[in-house]
Amino acid sequence: DTGVSQNPRHKITKRGQNVTFRCDPISEHNRLYWYRQTLGQGPEFLTYFQNEAQLEKSRLLSDRFSAERPKGSFSTLEIQRTEQGDSAMYLCASSLEAGGADTEAFFGQGTRLTVV
Amino acid sequence: AQSVSQHNHHVILSEAASLELGCNYSYGGTVNLFWYVQYPGQHLQLLLKYFSGDPLVKGIKGFEAEFIKSKFSFNLRKPSVQWSDTAEYFCAPWGGKLIFGQGTTLQVKP
Repeated sequence: DTGVSQNPRHKITKRGQNVTFRCDPISEHNRLYWYRQTLGQGPEFLTYFQNEAQLEKSRLLSDRFSAERPKGSFSTLEIQRTEQGDSAMYLCASSLEAGGADTEAFFGQGTRLTVV
Repeated sequence: AQSVSQHNHHVILSEAASLELGCNYSYGGTVNLFWYVQYPGQHLQLLLKYFSGDPLVKGIKGFEAEFIKSKFSFNLRKPSVQWSDTAEYFCAPWGGKLIFGQGTTLQVKP
């Protein structure tokens, strides 16, 4: 499968614990996005990378959230001291930025986080 | 700041009815426009896109959308829906980054 891969698919954690999700984008894609989606809502932008550089982070994002893309390939999203409000589907997408514009973004299956 | 608004949150249609979902965006610069679809239990996938040229674009499964620059709109249409079109539909403008509207849940009754 050469699509966007996310692991794990499901994560249940206790409130206060830290969690880390991984995203493997399509190999030639230089852009990588993280989104959060709750039931009945559209994907909410969290952050995105171009290669290894984190270009933007949502102002709504708590400082408990951090993302990395150390070598411009896979990315991790860490949530520290999880809260019940963090329960959501976390989506990763990748695209090829060319000439200043994104081509189609391809999405992974997502990681569903449940904080109990 | 970049923003997007979808007019309809929940639409219920009978098979063969026509569909139009509204989308308005705001962004000061050049924008690319996308519609994504999420079928039950599946991941988001591209329905159609507009970058430039003919403002009427065609996508998969008989969907089309019209870009009207003066109205900052990119409405999605389908002349005759099928039960298999039951899904969530998201308008997503790209103006530096890809953002999504709140989505429209389409339910097609057989």
